[in-house]
Amino acid sequence: AQTVTQSQPEMSVQEAETVTLSCTYDTSESDYYLFWYKQPPSRQMILVIRQEAYKQQNATENRFSVNFQKAAKSFSLKISDSQLGDAAMYFCAYRRANFGNEKLTFGTGTRLTIIP
Amino acid sequence: NAGVTQTPKFQVLKTGQSMTLQCAQDMNHEYMSWYRQDPGMGLRLIHYSVGAGITDQGEVPNGYNVSRSTTEDFPLRLLSAAPSQTSVYFCASSYRGTTQYFGPGTRLTVL
Repeated sequence: AQTVTQSQPEMSVQEAETVTLSCTYDTSESDYYLFWYKQPPSRQMILVIRQEAYKQQNATENRFSVNFQKAAKSFSLKISDSQLGDAAMYFCAYRRANFGNEKLTFGTGTRLTIIP
Repeated sequence: NAGVTQTPKFQVLKTGQSMTLQCAQDMNHEYMSWYRQDPGMGLRLIHYSVGAGITDQGEVPNGYNVSRSTTEDFPLRLLSAAPSQTSVYFCASSYRGTTQYFGPGTRLTVL
């Protein structure tokens, strides 16, 4: 069974600084997707970034980028120029690539605090 | 598009009561699913559906029932509520392997 581990329950960063959230996963599959979701106090789950395992290039979305290390099964999220609106729970998630089995396996989350 | 909608936003039940959490999407997504979120445990899959008339169990299905009579709707039924079902429930949908979109969630308390 696949597992996703987020070893940092809480992180904090000064506004405008850079922070990296860690995620490791365990799978025997070779083709899969990895995601970072953001959950602000409103409770809404918002997709931040997505990475396909077959792609060697790390995904980026504006101030958000990932460091995907397939051999190490590591998938960290870097937030640059942190803003107050980035404060939220961040969840790492894994999904196998085949249609019909689109179960997302989530980590336990990292609560990110932005210090003004 | 309204995206994924869930009703109600909040609900309080007594032990033994039954209720249905509603989920609807207007994006013609084939895949729909229900997750529950408990403190310190992330989100866990309850049931999912790959199309109308097809449902299957996820990681924590006990005490819940689902059906999928239309592409748009995927209700979750609690047959006899228990305090252990106190949680936040999320519905999600996607189309053929693309990103899953989540509804706003329902906070359920069972007394």
